[in-house]
Amino acid sequence: DVKVTQSSRYLVKRTGEKVFLECVQDMDHENMFWYRQDPGLGLRLIYFSYDVKMKEKGDIPEGYSVSREKKERFSLILESASTNQTSMYLCASGLTSGVEETQYFGPGTRLLVL
Amino acid sequence: DQQVKQNSPSLSVQEGRISILNCDYTNSMFDYFLWYKKYPAEGPTFLISISSIKDKNEDGRFTVFLNKSAKHLSLHIVPSQPGDSAVYFCAASASGNTGKLIFGQGTTLQVKP
Repeated sequence: DVKVTQSSRYLVKRTGEKVFLECVQDMDHENMFWYRQDPGLGLRLIYFSYDVKMKEKGDIPEGYSVSREKKERFSLILESASTNQTSMYLCASGLTSGVEETQYFGPGTRLLVL
Repeated sequence: DQQVKQNSPSLSVQEGRISILNCDYTNSMFDYFLWYKKYPAEGPTFLISISSIKDKNEDGRFTVFLNKSAKHLSLHIVPSQPGDSAVYFCAASASGNTGKLIFGQGTTLQVKP
């Protein structure tokens, strides 16, 4: 069974704070992803990584950065949190099997920026 | 530019009846499609998928239909149960695109007892 864990379920931060969201997967997947989910907008890709120390921008990377020092761990960093970054953050991992890529999600971190 | 669209934000059905959730896409390069189910305060869980070489895939009460010419897919749940009440996301990917999935906005399904 694939297990993706996220360091916090709920976080409250102040505007301007630096925020770290951690994600760990135990299935040796190459690919890892960070999304945010907002009502009516679905899941939007922030950043993804297909290998250690590799990263690619997703659709909404502004205001975020990522780090992947080990295969199993993918961190999302909010350099200076703003109120419009209040959201549900979802981490996922996946193993590209040629055509069919299935992603497995963690439980999510609900972040509130005051 | 929304490449994957779920035009119905919500759907309500009676327990025991069929639920049909719809999804449209615009990118003809998509060749793999997935449905995810999400409960509040939890991450999405994979439900069922279909590759573009098929037009139907079935798993228990869940069936996904793909109409490539119309760029349309649908998820049928028969019979619907109250525990199926959740947000359903469709997603699509194109081979060779480093595993990226493009998600729709989601449809909230409510199954009434």
